[in-house]
Amino acid sequence: GENVEQHPSTLSVQEGDSAVIKCTYSDSASNYFPWYKQELGKRPQLIIDIRSNVGEKKDQRIAVTLNKTAKHFSLHITETQPEDSAVYFCAASWTGGFKTIFGAGTRLFVKA
Amino acid sequence: SAVISQKPSRDICQRGTSLTIQCQVDSQVTMMFWYRQQPGQSLTLIATANQGSEATYESGFVIDKFPISRPNLTFSTLTVSNMSPEDSSIYLCSVEGTAGGNNEQFFGPGTRLTVL
Repeated sequence: GENVEQHPSTLSVQEGDSAVIKCTYSDSASNYFPWYKQELGKRPQLIIDIRSNVGEKKDQRIAVTLNKTAKHFSLHITETQPEDSAVYFCAASWTGGFKTIFGAGTRLFVKA
Repeated sequence: SAVISQKPSRDICQRGTSLTIQCQVDSQVTMMFWYRQQPGQSLTLIATANQGSEATYESGFVIDKFPISRPNLTFSTLTVSNMSPEDSSIYLCSVEGTAGGNNEQFFGPGTRLTVL
């Protein structure tokens, strides 16, 4: 089955700096890679996603890149703000597989 | 998007008892998913619930411990049976969005369970 590894487990940055979180997946059949943000005490919510036919996607300060050959995908947050502090989960799934497998999560601290 | 509610939002239970968690969705969905999130951990899929058939359980989870009902396309329940302190966790239900053909998951607010 699919396995998703995520690094780092904790990331601390200064406000205004960039943050990068990396994930790898094992199943080449995976074709959908979402990123979820979970603030303390709240439910996970989708912040950006990418499909396997796209190499990069950007939405304001966040971007995701995908390398299908290497089975890597990454989340990039630029100009970080204190409100970006949260736990971020990468995930992988495949159309028809119906299951979403989550990475272990990265706790991001943005210091003001 | 989907609006999902769960009841109860939290509970404190005694060892050996059972708790049933309810999940209600504001639209009809084919599949509903139940996840467990232990403190400081990731989301682990317990089972997938289809209407009209038995739930499909992931490795490490069994029906006797986590019976699931799916009586219609907007509702599901998860029971945590014969609880022990190791079952203390947040339990979340989710549904899959279909807009644009993606697999985005929408989560309920979660049920925080503490077993004494």
